[in-house]
Amino acid sequence: GDSVTQMEGPVTLSEEAFLTINCTYTATGYPSLFWYVQYPGEGLQLLLKATKADDKGSNKGFEATYRKETTSFHLEKGSVQVSDSAVYFCALRLYNQGGKLIFGQGTELSVKP
Amino acid sequence: SQTIHQWPATLVQPVGSPLSLECTVEGTSNPNLYWYRQAAGRGLQLLFYSVGIGQISSEVPQNLSASRPQDRQFILSSKKLLLSDSGFYLCALNRGSSYEQYFGPGTRLTVT
Repeated sequence: GDSVTQMEGPVTLSEEAFLTINCTYTATGYPSLFWYVQYPGEGLQLLLKATKADDKGSNKGFEATYRKETTSFHLEKGSVQVSDSAVYFCALRLYNQGGKLIFGQGTELSVKP
Repeated sequence: SQTIHQWPATLVQPVGSPLSLECTVEGTSNPNLYWYRQAAGRGLQLLFYSVGIGQISSEVPQNLSASRPQDRQFILSSKKLLLSDSGFYLCALNRGSSYEQYFGPGTRLTVT
């Protein structure tokens, strides 16, 4: 079935370090891909998205490129800040399925000053 | 702009008691609406979604139910709560050409 797999957390980095959170997917169709972020005690916020192969989504210094050949959508940021500490979720959406999302298990990021 | 409200924000209920969580949206019409649950330390699990009034699709068999009595109202219910129902419940709606979902602030439910 359709699924999303993220790297296990928690990930602990020092401020200004480079961040990569891996995400791979399995889908029978041609999905749209998303990264969501959840700050402590809050709901989810859309961070970035990509709707077709080779698209690059970007927002707030974060980037992810839709790689169809490797079925991946890895999240990267060149220099993390303490305020980036949160849980990050990768998700996919297939067409004609009511718009529902399939989420990965989430990766907790902790950035230390 | 579209806004999602969830009520209550937090709830503590004993095992066996009933449950009603409410989600209302503003600034849009005929949205697709979704209920997700996030158990402690886990990812999000889609529970129900609705593409219109009275139309409910269930993703996971459980003791929960959902209803959509109005276009902008989505309710999650249970007749008898279980300990395993504890979690963070998120309501979401879809918008945009690529169907990205937008989430409400959530309700934290603790079943004791």
